[in-house]
Amino acid sequence: EVQLVESGGGLVQPGGSLRLSCAASGFTLSSYWMSWVRQAPGKGLEWVANIKQDGSEKYYVDSVKGRFTISRDNAKNSLYLQMNSLRAEDTAMYYCAKEPFGYSSNWYVDYWGQGTLVTVSS
Amino acid sequence: DVQLTQSPSFLSASVGDRVTITCRASQDISDYLAWYQQRPGKAPKLLIYVASTLQSGVPSRFSGSGSGTEFTLIISSLQPEDFATYYCQQFNSYPPTFGQGTKVEIK
Repeated sequence: EVQLVESGGGLVQPGGSLRLSCAASGFTLSSYWMSWVRQAPGKGLEWVANIKQDGSEKYYVDSVKGRFTISRDNAKNSLYLQMNSLRAEDTAMYYCAKEPFGYSSNWYVDYWGQGTLVTVSS
Repeated sequence: DVQLTQSPSFLSASVGDRVTITCRASQDISDYLAWYQQRPGKAPKLLIYVASTLQSGVPSRFSGSGSGTEFTLIISSLQPEDFATYYCQQFNSYPPTFGQGTKVEIK
């Protein structure tokens, strides 16, 4: 059974940093593209970033480029999202998500974690 | 970016009703569309991909159709566990984008 468990969320001041982690199990992480998707409170879904199996390709939504960095450690079955220069508008539930198998990104996801809440406020 | 507009944004229905949700894209996305269900307080769940292919384990009362710019999600007979918010997502163009959601509530 695919399991994705996020951690690392919390309250941070504007301009601060946070590192999210996602522990993957039930599948071979190194075989799949992985994504982060976020959802502001009471709002819809927004794709944030994804990363290729070996970490050689990474893509970001424009609003986080230069501030967020996605990475992975396949040996530790983990996905990460380093978030710097955080803004109030980054406040959201952040979901770790697995893409279907593909050598190129499918750009959609088939399994989601339960999310970790990031609140940016002074 | 490709804009997706779902209609309606909210609908009230009864158990057993046939429910139709529409998703319109601002440009041709072929059949690169997925549908997700999100129950309150839960993570989204993939229902349908490439417009009409049912994800493994999803009940057959869910179906999807369409191509180009207009897509439809149909729930043939609404069940209590189907009361949720539904999102469409296009994956034809980078960045992938979502519709604003359709909330299905109990009448």
